[in-house]
Amino acid sequence: QKEVEQNSGPLSVPEGAIASLNCTYSDRVSQSFFWYRQYSGKSPELIMSIYSNGDKEDGRFTAQLNKASQYVSLLIRDSQPSDSATYLCAVKGRNTDKLIFGTGTRLQVFP
Amino acid sequence: DTEVTQTPKHLVMGMTNKKSLKCEQHMGHRAMYWYKQKAKKPPELMFVYSYEKLSINESVPSRFSPECPNSSLLNLHLHALQPEDSALYLCASSQDYQGAGYEQYFGPGTRLTVT
Repeated sequence: QKEVEQNSGPLSVPEGAIASLNCTYSDRVSQSFFWYRQYSGKSPELIMSIYSNGDKEDGRFTAQLNKASQYVSLLIRDSQPSDSATYLCAVKGRNTDKLIFGTGTRLQVFP
Repeated sequence: DTEVTQTPKHLVMGMTNKKSLKCEQHMGHRAMYWYKQKAKKPPELMFVYSYEKLSINESVPSRFSPECPNSSLLNLHLHALQPEDSALYLCASSQDYQGAGYEQYFGPGTRLTVT
């Protein structure tokens, strides 16, 4: 079992829709969760971090964490073509200080 | 300001060359990282420096040699690389290394091609 799993996609959504990106992790004692956006040929950009169960909102982005289900998600409201990118989920566990990345989900937002 | 800078942006080197990648941050962060990223793969951790000391070496071949001259600078010295070392090399920094809640910020990367 991979430590952090994401659907590779592509996830295709129309402009203006809600894009839902999902991530599961295997280390039950993981503490910190991050979402990075990476445009093709560019470096990862941190867009959200979440540490407690529940929702965290920042503009059009909402991160959701459910530690009991070992599940973290990212919702993008009013999706724009400029949101088209690969979204990387990263998890930091209590027993390791390293960031463990998922393989990323490619999001395509079409006009 | 969450800016990490890296130079050069692109580097082409032969297998017998010696070159260095440079990274700088002025956020007062005390942890700095080198990652390697191949196409369509997530970043792969190479080295971690915490308070200017090497904390993690992920069994990286000795042809890659990191250096942390001070808390703001991180170098990666390259020697006798192989074509399979061609990749995007990313530097990142965070406020600290151990413990929860320390967000890592990436620089723009150096695109390395080994011929």
